Amino acid sequence: EDQVTQSPEALRLQEGESSSLNCSYTVSGLRGLFWYRQDPGKGPEFLFTLYSAGEEKEKERLKATLTKKESFLHITAPKPEDSATYLCASSTADTGRRALTFGSGTRLQVQP
Amino acid sequence: ETGVTQSPTHLIKTRGQQVTLRCSSQSGHNTVSWYQQALGQGPQFIFQYYREEENGRGNFPPRFSGLQFPNYSSELNVNALELDDSALYLCASSLARTGVVDTQYFGPGTRLTVL
Repeated sequence: EDQVTQSPEALRLQEGESSSLNCSYTVSGLRGLFWYRQDPGKGPEFLFTLYSAGEEKEKERLKATLTKKESFLHITAPKPEDSATYLCASSTADTGRRALTFGSGTRLQVQP
Repeated sequence: ETGVTQSPTHLIKTRGQQVTLRCSSQSGHNTVSWYQQALGQGPQFIFQYYREEENGRGNFPPRFSGLQFPNYSSELNVNALELDDSALYLCASSLARTGVVDTQYFGPGTRLTVL
């Protein structure tokens, strides 16, 4: 059974204090690893898709990387508006459906 | 380009009742997936519809059912509501193409409270 585990569960940073969020996955036949941002009471907002080990993608202060077992979301010099829950999800080679398997998320709080 | 929309925003029901949630997919998308998100947890896959047919189902009982219409909008129906059904229900749409990993775009969700 596909499993996605995120750590830490919660992270509190000072503005400007860089850090990384971890997403470990145990899936058969990874087709894509997705990162989403979710604000309280709202739907997840798409950030990145990574397809193969070694791939990296960047958007503003965020950079996502992928290895054969993990993905990292690096946050450089975060601002208070980066506070949110960050979710990672896997899509596997089961072509019968295109479901995403999500981790429980990392709640990030950036204090000014 | 219109994003994914869901209605209603909030809903309060009592145990044993039935509920219908609605979703309009993003323009150009042909696939709709439904997820249940309990407080503090990641979304859990309920089922997916592609070209008006169910295209996979998660670990949810048959009282969770759905439809997809020719315009690719969708409904989620839940019968015999239980207290544990209280959650945020998310709809996501995507464009399914052979050999391409599709990205799912989520709507704002419907908050269902069962009393």
